[in-house]
Amino acid sequence: HSVLTQPPSMSAAPGETVTISCSGSSSNIGNNDVSWYQHLPGTAPKLLIYETYKRPFGIPDRFSGSKSGTSATLDITGLQTGDEADYYCGTWDTSLNGGGVFGGGTKLTVL
Amino acid sequence: EVQLVQSGAENKKPGESLKISCKGSGYGFSAYWIGWVRQMPGKGLEWMGVIYPDDSDVRYSPSFQGQVTMSADKSIRTAYLQWSSLKASDTAMYYCARFGGATFGHYHFDNWGQGTLVTVSS
Repeated sequence: HSVLTQPPSMSAAPGETVTISCSGSSSNIGNNDVSWYQHLPGTAPKLLIYETYKRPFGIPDRFSGSKSGTSATLDITGLQTGDEADYYCGTWDTSLNGGGVFGGGTKLTVL
Repeated sequence: EVQLVQSGAENKKPGESLKISCKGSGYGFSAYWIGWVRQMPGKGLEWMGVIYPDDSDVRYSPSFQGQVTMSADKSIRTAYLQWSSLKASDTAMYYCARFGGATFGHYHFDNWGQGTLVTVSS
């Protein structure tokens, strides 16, 4: 099981907003930045959010990240069918002798 | 343009050795940590570890310490992931990725390779 907890699956209709949660602890999310990745089948994962809320060039502002305490969230507004993918949170964990961790992933279905 | 190009798919037998590669271009290869990520069939992403090509400093995830070896040759801008004795449970897609962020606390992988599928079967 992963150090970071995400809901295994979520679904929403096109145009709606979805919030994906990522729950951790003080040794990871509580004291480090969070990143989010989109993984479409057959492709390499893509960075969506880094340093908790920043977007790489080319990522639309429909994607936004935030953090409160030991939990982080990824919000996707104006859902599109192309957003159907697996989403992963990631952060650094100081309890593992210093190492990165990923959440278990959330499969988003756009109905 | 930053690119990470990985070596091709591998089909191996249990007990065999393997070394897969990840070649970087379009940026100062030596100055960025390179990470490796495993995705087993039907499962999520797993952080394996990172290597700093300039001095080959390596940080392994405890789950992968002793199971794999990471190395790098900065002269040819290439990072490697190797196994000395493969097991069927090593069957997975392996991604390399460039480690962004100025410190570990700001960690993120900002560019990814296309993945190398490793299949281990007798």
